[in-house]
Amino acid sequence: DAKTTQPTSMDCAEGRAANLPCNHSTISGNEYVYWYRQIHSQGPQYIIHGLKNNETNEMASLIITEDRKSSTLILPHATLRDTAVYYCIVRPQFSSGSARQLTFGSGTQLTVLP
Amino acid sequence: DTEVTQTPKHLVMGMTNKKSLKCEQHMGHRAMYWYKQKAKKPPELMFVYSYEKLSINESVPSRFSPECPNSSLLNLHLHALQPEDSALYLCASSRAATNEKLFFGSGTQLSVL
Repeated sequence: DAKTTQPTSMDCAEGRAANLPCNHSTISGNEYVYWYRQIHSQGPQYIIHGLKNNETNEMASLIITEDRKSSTLILPHATLRDTAVYYCIVRPQFSSGSARQLTFGSGTQLTVLP
Repeated sequence: DTEVTQTPKHLVMGMTNKKSLKCEQHMGHRAMYWYKQKAKKPPELMFVYSYEKLSINESVPSRFSPECPNSSLLNLHLHALQPEDSALYLCASSRAATNEKLFFGSGTQLSVL
């Protein structure tokens, strides 16, 4: 069963904010939300992660709803170089073995348009 | 240095060949990973090494044989592969196997003829 649901694709105009949604309605209390992205011909790149509170770093902001059933990754000023597949991943904080590892879903193909 | 370096970038091999993929990191990370990615699909975990010991094998066929000679190096030995094994093979590392931030290399694009 998929732990996260993301739209298959999205477009965003260059310079505008890109808001990428993720549904994780079955998330449990000890599971974090992680975001990675994969630019074409490169390996995935860590963006941000959070548990309950909203998080911000130099790349993006992560907004998690109060019930934690969904989240939004925000790229405040998208550039052409942000065109990539964005993966939302739910990962337990305390676990062992395979359950603790990153499991990628299908992701969202974000295309930033000039 | 925050790079994970993978060689070669591209590899073409026949089904009877033996080849190896190499991965190197100098970040002092003690966990290293192999992922496999088919075209237009997400990466799938194959192996995890923690402190140079194999800690996770995701039921990968024995024609794939991982090796971690030291804390900076990770190899994937390939033997008697099938055409369906053609994929992008990604190496990653993290401070520990429980760490949330994985650093990925750019991968080796493997074609099995």
